[in-house]
Amino acid sequence: QVQLVESGGGVVQPGRSLRLSCTSSGFIFSNYAMHWVRQAPGKGLEWVAVTSYDGTSKYYAESVKGRFTISRDNSKNTVFLQINSLRGDDTAVYYCARDTSGRIGGRLDLWGQGALVTVSS
Amino acid sequence: DIQMTQSPSSLSASVGDRVTITCQASQDISTQLNWFQQKPGKAPKMLIYDASELQRGVPSRFSGIGSGTDFSLTISSLQPEDFGTYYCQQYDNVPLTFGGGTKVEIK
Repeated sequence: QVQLVESGGGVVQPGRSLRLSCTSSGFIFSNYAMHWVRQAPGKGLEWVAVTSYDGTSKYYAESVKGRFTISRDNSKNTVFLQINSLRGDDTAVYYCARDTSGRIGGRLDLWGQGALVTVSS
Repeated sequence: DIQMTQSPSSLSASVGDRVTITCQASQDISTQLNWFQQKPGKAPKMLIYDASELQRGVPSRFSGIGSGTDFSLTISSLQPEDFGTYYCQQYDNVPLTFGGGTKVEIK
């Protein structure tokens, strides 16, 4: 079955760190660029970061640059999002999404179910 | 960053109605545009890519048109299962950017 499954969400105190994982199945993970997109409660979609198929190219939204790190382990069919210095406005559902291109194209054709991150003391 | 402006922000229509949502980019993005449908509590689902190409498995009542800065998504005959929020998204440039969304309700 072709799918993406996120994990690692939860309730975290401000200033702490968290690592989200997104594990794929049913397709050749190493052929595709992968994105993270987030959605704050009741709000719209915000693109966060992308990594190319081989991890050599990475880009970030300005709002997360310097605090978030995207990485991937193609041997484990998994993409990660390391989030440091968490703030209240990081509270959101975080989705991973597959790009139809190996390079960074932007057609997001497959999404995970999302992982909720709540930043609260 | 490229700004994406969607309208209307919400609409209510009856089953069988023709519904059109528009999306305007702040600069020329050629046809580098996706449309998504999102239902409450669920992940977005791609409907249209390259502004007018129907994603596999998506009903043919959905169609997209446009290039440059002006785009639209049309549902030719609204069905009960088409409720949800619709988003446009450009991929001409990083950062990828989304429109603010259009909430579609069934009367």
